Amino acid sequence: KQEVTQIPAALSVPEGENLVLNCSFTDSAIYNLQWFRQDPGKGLTSLLLIQSSQREQTSGRLNASLDKSSGRSTLYIAASQPGDSATYLCAVRVRTALIFGKGTTLSVSS
Amino acid sequence: DTGVSQNPRHKITKRGQNVTFRCDPISEHNRLYWYRQTLGQGPEFLTYFQNEAQLEKSRLLSDRFSAERPKGSFSTLEIQRTEQGDSAMYLCASSFRDRDLNTEAFFGQGTRLTVV
Repeated sequence: KQEVTQIPAALSVPEGENLVLNCSFTDSAIYNLQWFRQDPGKGLTSLLLIQSSQREQTSGRLNASLDKSSGRSTLYIAASQPGDSATYLCAVRVRTALIFGKGTTLSVSS
Repeated sequence: DTGVSQNPRHKITKRGQNVTFRCDPISEHNRLYWYRQTLGQGPEFLTYFQNEAQLEKSRLLSDRFSAERPKGSFSTLEIQRTEQGDSAMYLCASSFRDRDLNTEAFFGQGTRLTVV
């Protein structure tokens, strides 16, 4: 059974800091991996999608990497801003469903 | 296209009542998914449709839950005889699948259900 773990569960940083969020999964047989952002009480916003054949994807200040063989992905956020404060969720696609971790709640202080 | 749309955004109901939620996916997407999210947890898969066919259901989807996607367009999720344990955020997502291509899944804003 696929399990997704995100570490740390919560993170507080001052504005301007670069940071890394970690995601690990137990079964490397995935189709793709997707990172989402969720604001309190809201739905999920897709940030980056990495297909299983890819190693990384970049969008603005965000960079996500994927190491399928070791079952790991990282989300790198450069020059963090207070507006980045949210919960970040990692999900892997196995056959049809996305399997999610519990998320990392990020707080960026000004 | 404004993305995935869910209605209502909030629903408060008394235990034992039936509720129905609606999801309008992105128009060109052929896959539609329902997820449930409780506080502090990631979303959990409930069911998915490829066009109008419901192809997979999670064991989380008890017989009080039913989902439809008539004509492969919008979808409804009905919960009969609601219980307090059904209180959660219900999320809908859509994506496009063609042969080996799996596109991004886009989520709606969710329907927050509170059973009192």
